[in-house]
Amino acid sequence: EVQLVESGGGLVQPGRSLRLSCAASGFTFDDYAMHWVRQAPGKGLEWVSGISWNSGSIGYADSVKGRFTISRDNAKNSLYLQMNSLRAEDTALYYCAKDTSVAGTPSFDYWGLGTLVTVSS
Amino acid sequence: DIQMTQSPSSLSASVGDRVTITCRASQSISSYLNWYQQKPGKAPKLLIYAASSLQSGVPSRFSGSGSGTDFTLTISSLQPEDFATYYCQQSYSTPVTFGQGTRLEIK
Repeated sequence: EVQLVESGGGLVQPGRSLRLSCAASGFTFDDYAMHWVRQAPGKGLEWVSGISWNSGSIGYADSVKGRFTISRDNAKNSLYLQMNSLRAEDTALYYCAKDTSVAGTPSFDYWGLGTLVTVSS
Repeated sequence: DIQMTQSPSSLSASVGDRVTITCRASQSISSYLNWYQQKPGKAPKLLIYAASSLQSGVPSRFSGSGSGTDFTLTISSLQPEDFATYYCQQSYSTPVTFGQGTRLEIK
């Protein structure tokens, strides 16, 4: 059974940093691209970032480019999101999502339950 | 960035109804269009990929069609468990973008 378990969320002040983690199991992690998708309270879905199976291809939403860094450790079956210079508008539930392929045209067939990030003073 | 626009934003329907939700892209995306269902407090679930391919385990009452800029998600006979919010998503280019969502409510 595929499982994605996010962690690392919490309450953080504007301008500070946070690192999210996603532990994956139930599939061959390094066969697939992985992504972070967020959802602000009561709002729609926003893709944040994606990384190919070998970290050779990485993409970011314009809203986080230069502030967030995605990475993965295939030996640990883990995905990460380093979030710096956090803003109030980054407040959201952050989902880890598995791609259906190694890279290319993203569609997300498995999602975690999400980890909540709240940016507030 | 490619903008995705869904219509309607909300919809009231009854069990047994046939329902259609539309998604329009701001430029041609070929068939790189996916549909998701999200229930309150839950993660999204992939229903349709590549515009018309049914994801494994998804009931056959769900279907998708379209190519280029105009796409539809159809539920042939609404069931009680189908009341949820539906999102389209383009996978043609980065950044990946979603529609704003269509909330399907019980009439």
